[in-house]
Amino acid sequence: EADIYQTPRYLVIGTGKKITLECSQTMGHDKMYWYQQDPGMELHLIHYSYGVNSTEKGDLSSESTVSRIRTEHFPLTLESARPSHTSQYLCASSLTGRSGYTFGSGTRLTVV
Amino acid sequence: GENVEQHPSTLSVQEGDSAVIKCTYSDSASNYFPWYKQELGKGPQLIIDIRSNVGEKKDQRIAVTLNKTAKHFSLHITETQPEDSAVYFCAASGNFNKFYFGSGTKLNVKP
Repeated sequence: EADIYQTPRYLVIGTGKKITLECSQTMGHDKMYWYQQDPGMELHLIHYSYGVNSTEKGDLSSESTVSRIRTEHFPLTLESARPSHTSQYLCASSLTGRSGYTFGSGTRLTVV
Repeated sequence: GENVEQHPSTLSVQEGDSAVIKCTYSDSASNYFPWYKQELGKGPQLIIDIRSNVGEKKDQRIAVTLNKTAKHFSLHITETQPEDSAVYFCAASGNFNKFYFGSGTKLNVKP
């Protein structure tokens, strides 16, 4: 059973809308990550957090923003969605010095 | 930063045959190497991992080998079954900080 939850699983929205993708984990992991997965499968890190009130941009430039107010919650927000944002978004978490990533099931976003 | 290369990008085998996926990494400070399996419509799941103080690790039909000198590690799946069909990712990390992923291998096991 998944200990990291992403909602919604699928989302179709119109251009210009503001959206928030939710990610929560119940494992007490201190580190959390957002990846964008393109149709060619590759995983691109767009944001990460090593703890509460700590967020960093990843290797792939993204117009999204994140926040980490609580350990278990790491939402990703797009202020104005565009068709180029259409992708699969994967959230992951890990525990410092102890574990690899645990991934959520992903949110498949389509912007029309 | 770390650079992880993964080959092949696609692999097709007959059921019962073995499959091998290879990865190389560039940063000698990397010391943890997990492998993930991603099935259609799901997030990647950890299937096996190896730390740099170990050369080989096995879990039933799956094994991983690590050559620190050459900076490469491989995933071996024996007696493949149709349910092994998925996308596999290798990754490298130094002390469980940021993970660097390979580009993925799509494995197709033909019945």
